[in-house]
Amino acid sequence: DAGVTQSPTHLIKTRGQQVTLRCSPISGHKSVSWYQQVLGQGPQFIFQYYEKEERGRGNFPDRFSARQFPNYSSELNVNALLLGDSALYLCASSFRTGPATNEKLFFGSGTQLSVL
Amino acid sequence: AQSVSQHNHHVILSEAASLELGCNYSYGGTVNLFWYVQYPGQHLQLLLKYFSGDPLVKGIKGFEAEFIKSKFSFNLRKPSVQWSDTAEYFCAVIMKTSYDKVIFGPGTSLSVIP
Repeated sequence: DAGVTQSPTHLIKTRGQQVTLRCSPISGHKSVSWYQQVLGQGPQFIFQYYEKEERGRGNFPDRFSARQFPNYSSELNVNALLLGDSALYLCASSFRTGPATNEKLFFGSGTQLSVL
Repeated sequence: AQSVSQHNHHVILSEAASLELGCNYSYGGTVNLFWYVQYPGQHLQLLLKYFSGDPLVKGIKGFEAEFIKSKFSFNLRKPSVQWSDTAEYFCAVIMKTSYDKVIFGPGTSLSVIP
């Protein structure tokens, strides 16, 4: 089975540009979350989507947005890029969500974004 | 705000040495606890998890962790490390009220010298 796939793997942008990152969850998984991992730090939660609805948002500015499609794939958009947005962006999927869930998260390999 | 701290930023060990990586979290409610590993050039993988029951949990590749609720700790241990254990290790927490919002610690880089 294919794991969580993300595209592109690497991306170089300049300040002020906009970027779209894509994620395909494991087949059958309905929950997708996005994380930002800055070099030398742990991943930081950005968004979680379940059944096409936003279920959680981390402490990120409104320049960050996301959506989930009917096939459960997801896009993360970042507008007006800043140098500090340079990071590895990770996508994770799970079958379901909720506070009682014991679901395991599966992570993709990430998209390395460099903002110059 | 809820947070996860890890005691060491970088640990260097010789093969066959014992390993203990410290992790503490700040949250008074019920949590699920995890250790993730990121091998060089690979994606994050779940090493082990604690949801409830026996506070000593065993994971893959001989790793284990102990949840001590009174100390808000979830330390990772392995009795004898191998060169292949060289990786970045992240402690993580899910608060039971926050769905899949995983809070990660800053990570500990482990280098095992042959």
